[in-house]
Amino acid sequence: GAVVSQHPSWVICKSGTSVKIECRSLDFQATTMFWYRQFPKQSLMLMATSNEGSKATYEQGVEKDKFLINHASLTLSTLTVTSAHPEDSSFYICSASDRRTRAQRHGELFFGEGSRLTVL
Amino acid sequence: AQSVTQLDSHVSVSEGTPVLLRCNYSSSYSPSLFWYVQHPNKGLQLLLKYTSAATLVKGINGFEAEFKKSETSFHLTKPSAHMSDAAEYFCVVLFYGGATNKLIFGTGTLLAVQP
Repeated sequence: GAVVSQHPSWVICKSGTSVKIECRSLDFQATTMFWYRQFPKQSLMLMATSNEGSKATYEQGVEKDKFLINHASLTLSTLTVTSAHPEDSSFYICSASDRRTRAQRHGELFFGEGSRLTVL
Repeated sequence: AQSVTQLDSHVSVSEGTPVLLRCNYSSSYSPSLFWYVQHPNKGLQLLLKYTSAATLVKGINGFEAEFKKSETSFHLTKPSAHMSDAAEYFCVVLFYGGATNKLIFGTGTLLAVQP
């Protein structure tokens, strides 16, 4: 299947600093990427939908100025957590749909392995 | 409105015994439904999907699920559990949001497999 890579897998940062997480589709073009957040022992919560070349669409309650999303190309989307605080510590997962197969139309997404952020 | 409910947060079975993970959905249209599996500190992997074709869907690793419209259910089953099946399982419904579709995740069921 299609491969989605996230980097870094683990990151620890000090409170007040910013952290960037990358999501890449390695062998396909992704017009749309999704960013999820997962708290321990909880489900995935959709944060935002990232469309290539346009502004991201944020879910209700997600601060767009805090979680900056950029989708500059068909293979790369980035999530930047600005001025991170300990409550931002979480597991962040991206997913992408394959433009060629239009899998998104049927809901099939390919997920990255996630990035665990710990803010001290 | 579309939503999905996973009735059990934890399920524990013995190796070699059947697995049943329950899922009920609510949808205004004929839904698309999925089961994803997540191993610890890993991303998600698609197990199987229902998109209005055959009601009994076979997936990877011996899993299958049956779509029952009358019961609004999409339970996941496997005849014989293996130790490697221990993971978190998510039932997911596809939300048709206009230009972009979204996946709505259930709260997950943690499957433990005892030797």
